[in-house]
Amino acid sequence: SQTIHQWPATLVQPVGSPLSLECTVEGTSNPNLYWYRQAAGRGLQLLFYSVGIGQISSEVPQNLSASRPQDRQFILSSKKLLLSDSGFYLCAWSKTAFDYGYTFGSGTRLTVV
Amino acid sequence: AQTVTQSQPEMSVQEAETVTLSCTYDTSESDYYLFWYKQPPSRQMILVIRQEAYKQQNATENRFSVNFQKAAKSFSLKISDSQLGDAAMYFCAYRTAPYTGANSKLTFGKGITLSVRP
Repeated sequence: SQTIHQWPATLVQPVGSPLSLECTVEGTSNPNLYWYRQAAGRGLQLLFYSVGIGQISSEVPQNLSASRPQDRQFILSSKKLLLSDSGFYLCAWSKTAFDYGYTFGSGTRLTVV
Repeated sequence: AQTVTQSQPEMSVQEAETVTLSCTYDTSESDYYLFWYKQPPSRQMILVIRQEAYKQQNATENRFSVNFQKAAKSFSLKISDSQLGDAAMYFCAYRTAPYTGANSKLTFGKGITLSVRP
């Protein structure tokens, strides 16, 4: 069966520090991968998606970047965090022609102080 | 671009009663998928139910059912016999079909917080 792992679960970082959140998928190959952010009291905003290794599409201009160094690995990064980067970050995967929507990771709560 | 609207930010239901959560969407496409996701306090996103636009029959999963009105672009979720564990945030979502690449994205509504009164 397929599983998705996301870590860390919580993170408190000072303004200006770097960020690296990691997501890995097991039990499938060539998944579509996604990073979403959920700000307090708001819906889910798609940040990045990837349909293959090295292929990253950005949905909104921001202080963040994403990379996909391996087929089942998706990394969200920042060189210098801003206060506005605080939020709940969710990684998800889907499979082309697999119509059960997304499977989500357990999320990372990021607080920038 | 497709949009998903959940106009009710909060709803409340008495335990064992039935509640309906509303969702509307806007699209020019004829084939697509619609989903309801549940996000409990743990914040883990859980798929509740899905509906293929080409199917006229409303989807049902145990106590959860949908009322899909394609012409009206409406997709409501009915929860029957509400339980305390149903308390969560519920998101309506849309996805193009068939989907590859960029079309695989899910567009979410802003969510509705459901509370269940004992």
